[in-house]
This record gives sequence, structure tokens and C-alpha cells, in this order.
Amino acid sequence: GESVGLHLPTLSVQEGDNSIINCAYSNSASDYFIWYKQESGKGPQFIIDIRSNMDKRQGQRVTVLLNKTVKHLSLQIAATQPGDSAVYFCAENIVSGGSYIPTFGRGTSLIVHP
Amino acid sequence: ETGVTQTPRHLVMGMTNKKSLKCEQHLGHNAMYWYKQSAKKPLELMFVYSLEERVENNSVPSRFSPECPNSSHLFLHLHTLQPEDSALYLCASSPGGEKTQYFGPGTRLLVL
Repeated sequence: GESVGLHLPTLSVQEGDNSIINCAYSNSASDYFIWYKQESGKGPQFIIDIRSNMDKRQGQRVTVLLNKTVKHLSLQIAATQPGDSAVYFCAENIVSGGSYIPTFGRGTSLIVHP
Repeated sequence: ETGVTQTPRHLVMGMTNKKSLKCEQHLGHNAMYWYKQSAKKPLELMFVYSLEERVENNSVPSRFSPECPNSSHLFLHLHTLQPEDSALYLCASSPGGEKTQYFGPGTRLLVL
């Protein structure tokens, strides 16, 4: 079946380094992708999104890259800070019954060492 | 604060109990969702309501029963649960369409 998954379950970086979190998706019909951050004891929080007609989008310290050819999504965090430590999820949105239904990947745990 | 609240935050129940989880959103959204989050597994979509009508039910066991009385409130009624139902239950809302979701903090459920 269709799935969204992450290449690495855990990523450890030093404070100040750049972080790259990867995600693979398999549903070519997906046209909207979102990255979420989930801190301990909280629900997922929106970080950045991208539509399939784009290949790059930038936010504050974050950049999402979309490669539709290989069905790959990545989240880049510049100058990673301890407060960035969390689990990061990618999600693809598929239309079902007239509504957009998200499918989430397993998540990557980002650990930032001071 | 995301504008989505959930109560209770923690719940311990026996397999013969009946309990309800509550979700409330203050964002004026018209779509609401229930998710189950278990350790080391992706978020599992359970139910989707759009304009108070259920539009998606991912083959969830009947011991979970959702209720959406209006666009601001969503309930998940629980009865005769199993220990494997222990998880974090997350509620989310969205404006509908191709829009991101806003999640509540979740209810941590333990079934004994």
C-alpha cells in the first residue's frame, strides 16, 4: 500500500550545525506535504508546508525540499538549537471523500547537543 | 497554545469501564480529527469529521465511538477497551480543504 516513511529514526547534531531530516513517500497522487514538530508532552505542531508544484520553500531557519522524481522530501534546519530537539514528522495529503486526509511518517527524533 | 484543547490529559481505565475523551477547538475550523499515537508507530488516523459529518473511518474497532455535536466539539467514547489501546490520543482541527491541521496536546490513555 501507499506509505510515508522516514529514513532515519534518530539524528544527533551539535548546536549550531545544520540538520537534514529526510522523508520518502510513495503516493504519486499526493499534492500537499507538511512537516510537523512534536515536543515531549505536546501534540504535533506545524513547521512548514509545500505543494507539489514547488520544489523548495523557505521559512525561518527551515527549508523544505521536494523531489517528485524520486518521491523524496527533506527538512533542513539551519543553525540547530537545543530547542529544536523533538520528533519531526512528514505528512502527505491525499484527497478522500472530498476531504484532504493526511498520512504521517514514523518520525525522526532530533537530538541537539549543546 | 494551538487553540485546540483536550480533556482529560491523562486517563487510566479498566477494560470494563466507559469513558469519554473531549476535544474543543476555538479556531472556527470546520474539520476535526481523532488520531492514535503509539510508541514507534506512525500517527494513525481514526476518524475525520467535516462540517459535523463523518467522512473517514479507518476501520476502527467499534469499542471507539466518535461524536461531533457541533463544529467546535469532538468526543471519543470508549468502552470495553483492551490493553493494546493504551496510547496517546490526539485531536486536531483544520479549516478544511488543503490546509494544515492544528493539534491538541493529547490524552494519554492507559488501559489496565
